[in-house]
Amino acid sequence: AQSVTQPDIHITVSEGASLELRCNYSYGATPYLFWYVQSPGQGLQLLLKYFSGDTLVQGIKGFEAEFKRSQSSFNLRKPSVHWSDAAEYFCAVGGLGTGTASKLTFGTGTRLQVTL
Amino acid sequence: KAGVTQTPRYLIKTRGQQVTLSCSPISGHRSVSWYQQTPGQGLQFLFEYFSETQRNKGNFPGRFSGRQFSNSRSEMNVSTLELGDSALYLCASSLAVGGFDTEAFFGQGTRLTVV
Repeated sequence: AQSVTQPDIHITVSEGASLELRCNYSYGATPYLFWYVQSPGQGLQLLLKYFSGDTLVQGIKGFEAEFKRSQSSFNLRKPSVHWSDAAEYFCAVGGLGTGTASKLTFGTGTRLQVTL
Repeated sequence: KAGVTQTPRYLIKTRGQQVTLSCSPISGHRSVSWYQQTPGQGLQFLFEYFSETQRNKGNFPGRFSGRQFSNSRSEMNVSTLELGDSALYLCASSLAVGGFDTEAFFGQGTRLTVV
């Protein structure tokens, strides 16, 4: 069964500092990987996705993630964090070949706090 | 372009009652998925509908059901509500025209509280 592990429940960084959120996945075939962000009381917004090709993917809001098959990881990075980045971040894996974006398996999330 | 609309945003129900939640996908999207989000279990997949047919189902009891209409709007129903059903229910829509490179757009969710 597919699974996603986000080992960091809560991370605090200073504004302007770099950020890396960790994500490890377990999946029997080539995974489709996603990072979503959720602000309080809101739904999920897709930051970036990986399906195939270049293992370094660029997303919105200055985020990027690198797929490392050998480490089963898909870590999210941002070179300089802004106070507005404070939110909860979810890594997800999918890809059952149904031709839809359904049945995503999410990690437990990492809550990011940004100090000024 | 309007996003995914979920109604109502907030709901309070009593144990044993049933509830129906609604989701209107983005215009042109034919796939609708539902997720339950709780502090204890996180985000869990409930089911997915495409062209009025249930395509996938998560590991939830039969009290949880859904349907999709010809205009792609979807409803989910929970019968005989339990306290543990209190959660944020999220709906996501996608094009799903074949190939996996479609993005799931999420609504703001319906916050259900069972008392």
